[in-house]
Amino acid sequence: AQTVTQSQPEMSVQEAETVTLSCTYDTSESDYYLFWYKQPPSRQMILVIRQEAYKQQNATENRFSVNFQKAAKSFSLKISDSQLGDAAMYFCAYRSSARWTSYDKVIFGPGTSLSVIP
Amino acid sequence: EAGVVQSPRYKIIEKKQPVAFWCNPISGHNTLYWYLQNLGQGPELLIRYENEEAVDDSQLPKDRFSAERLKGVDSTLKIQPAELGDSAVYLCASSRGNSEGEGQFFGPGTRLTVL
Repeated sequence: AQTVTQSQPEMSVQEAETVTLSCTYDTSESDYYLFWYKQPPSRQMILVIRQEAYKQQNATENRFSVNFQKAAKSFSLKISDSQLGDAAMYFCAYRSSARWTSYDKVIFGPGTSLSVIP
Repeated sequence: EAGVVQSPRYKIIEKKQPVAFWCNPISGHNTLYWYLQNLGQGPELLIRYENEEAVDDSQLPKDRFSAERLKGVDSTLKIQPAELGDSAVYLCASSRGNSEGEGQFFGPGTRLTVL
């Protein structure tokens, strides 16, 4: 079974600085998707960025980028120019793409709470 | 485009009482998920629907939890009777259910407090 680990329960960053959130996962599959979701306090969870495992190029969405290391099974999220609105819980998630393994199952990590210091 | 709608947003009940949560997914999303999220933790899947079929309910405590998705659109999750340990946020999410890895769209959740 797949697992997702986020080893940093809490992180903090100064406004306008850069922060990296770590995520590792375990799988025997070769094709899958990885996601970072953001959940602000008392607000709903939204998708920040996604990565397809068969693509070597790291995904980027404005100030958010990932460092995907497939061999190391590592998927870190970098937030540049941090803003107060980035303060939230961040969840790393894994999804299989193999249809015969109920591919639409998503496994979430325990989350990292990010604080942004003005 | 309307997002995933959930109601109620908050619910407080006495233990042993029944409770129901409702979810309306994004139009055209055939996959619907119910998650349980405890404070400070990631969502844990309770049940997943492909259209009206429950394809993964292995984590649903079937002695007290039930769910339905009639006509493959909106869904109801029920707990009867509720226990103190059921206090949590219940999230509903939907996706197109294809293999493109689009990601899920989440509703605002229902925060349940069992007294």
